Amino acid sequence: GENVEQHPSTLSVQEGDSAVIKCTYSDSASNYFPWYKQELGKRPQLIIDIRSNVGEKKDQRIAVTLNKTAKHFSLHITETQPEDSAVYFCAASNESGYALNFGKGTSLLVTP
Amino acid sequence: GAVVSQHPSRVICKSGTSVKIECRSLDFQATTMFWYRQFPKQSLMLMATSNEGSKATYEQGVEKDKFLINHASLTLSTLTVTSAHPEDSSFYICSASSITNYGYTFGSGTRLTVV
Repeated sequence: GENVEQHPSTLSVQEGDSAVIKCTYSDSASNYFPWYKQELGKRPQLIIDIRSNVGEKKDQRIAVTLNKTAKHFSLHITETQPEDSAVYFCAASNESGYALNFGKGTSLLVTP
Repeated sequence: GAVVSQHPSRVICKSGTSVKIECRSLDFQATTMFWYRQFPKQSLMLMATSNEGSKATYEQGVEKDKFLINHASLTLSTLTVTSAHPEDSSFYICSASSITNYGYTFGSGTRLTVV
């Protein structure tokens, strides 16, 4: 089955700096790669996703890049703010009726 | 957008009792429902996948007789934790997908505490 590895497990940055979280996956059939932000006790919130026919996608301060050949994808957050502090999960799936497989998560702390 | 309603949000039960968690898709037909469990400071671990009208497929290590999943309609799936024990205390969350609605819609989660 799919195995998703995520690094780092914790990340501390100063407000205004950039944060990068990286994930690798094992199943070449995976074609959907979402990123979620989860606050304590709440549901994961989709912040951005990318499908395998695209190499990069950007939404304001958030961007995701995908390298299908290397089977890795990354989340980039620019101009970080304290409210970006949360746990971020990457995931992968072969979207057609298959479950999301999650990475272990990255706890991001943005200090003022 | 797609909405999945999950109830209850929190439940405390005594050891040995059963608890039922419901997930309803409010504005789309959930052909597939995924059930996850999340322990504190850990990731979401897939427990089972259910397709409407079919028996659920459980992940390795998940006891199907303990975690009963029913997906009898396209808008409702339930997870029943039977004979709950303290080690079953966790955050349970459902995620729905459909053939017409790409992506995954998460319920709000259920915090189960077994005392």
